[in-house]
Amino acid sequence: AQSVTQLDSQVPVFEEAPVELRCNYSSSVSVYLFWYVQYPNQGLQLLLKYLSGSTLVKGINGFEAEFNKSQTSFHLRKPSVHISDTAEYFCAVSEAPEYGNKLVFGAGTILRVKS
Amino acid sequence: DTGVSQDPRHKITKRGQNVTFRCDPISEHNRLYWYRQTLGQGPEFLTYFQNEAQLEKSRLLSDRFSAERPKGSFSTLEIQRTEQGDSAMYLCASSLVGRNPTNNEQFFGPGTRLTVL
Repeated sequence: AQSVTQLDSQVPVFEEAPVELRCNYSSSVSVYLFWYVQYPNQGLQLLLKYLSGSTLVKGINGFEAEFNKSQTSFHLRKPSVHISDTAEYFCAVSEAPEYGNKLVFGAGTILRVKS
Repeated sequence: DTGVSQDPRHKITKRGQNVTFRCDPISEHNRLYWYRQTLGQGPEFLTYFQNEAQLEKSRLLSDRFSAERPKGSFSTLEIQRTEQGDSAMYLCASSLVGRNPTNNEQFFGPGTRLTVL
């Protein structure tokens, strides 16, 4: 079975400061990894994904994440955050499409950007 | 392409009533997923369809829940005899799955927020 642990439930940070949101996963098979963002009362929007290849993945809005297989981690980073980045962020894992491709999510990390 | 749409966006019902939600996926997407998200938690998988076939159901999907995708396009999720524990956001997602793994992205709708009184 797959599982995802997001190590911080809330991360407060000042505007223009760097931020890292931590994610660890467990799986017995090869996985695909994702970060989604959710603004209040909205659905989920994909920030970035790792399917294969380069372990450093760049996404939208200046976010990037690094896949570390030995540490089973997929931490999300941004060098300089903006007020508009305030939202909840979810890390997710899935197996290959032939196994259903369903997403298993972490509990989420609320990023609060302060001015 | 208008994205994934869900209807209604909000539903308030009394315990014991039946409710039905609709999801319209992105056209030509062959997979459709239902997830449930409770307050303070990440979404949890409920079920998914490949075209019109329901291929997997989570243990979270009790006998009171039923989902259909009759023509491989839109989908409905019905909850019978609602309970207060059913209160949650119900999210629908669709994807186009083929041989190219870059097509595995799931696009989410805005969700239907259910409140059971």
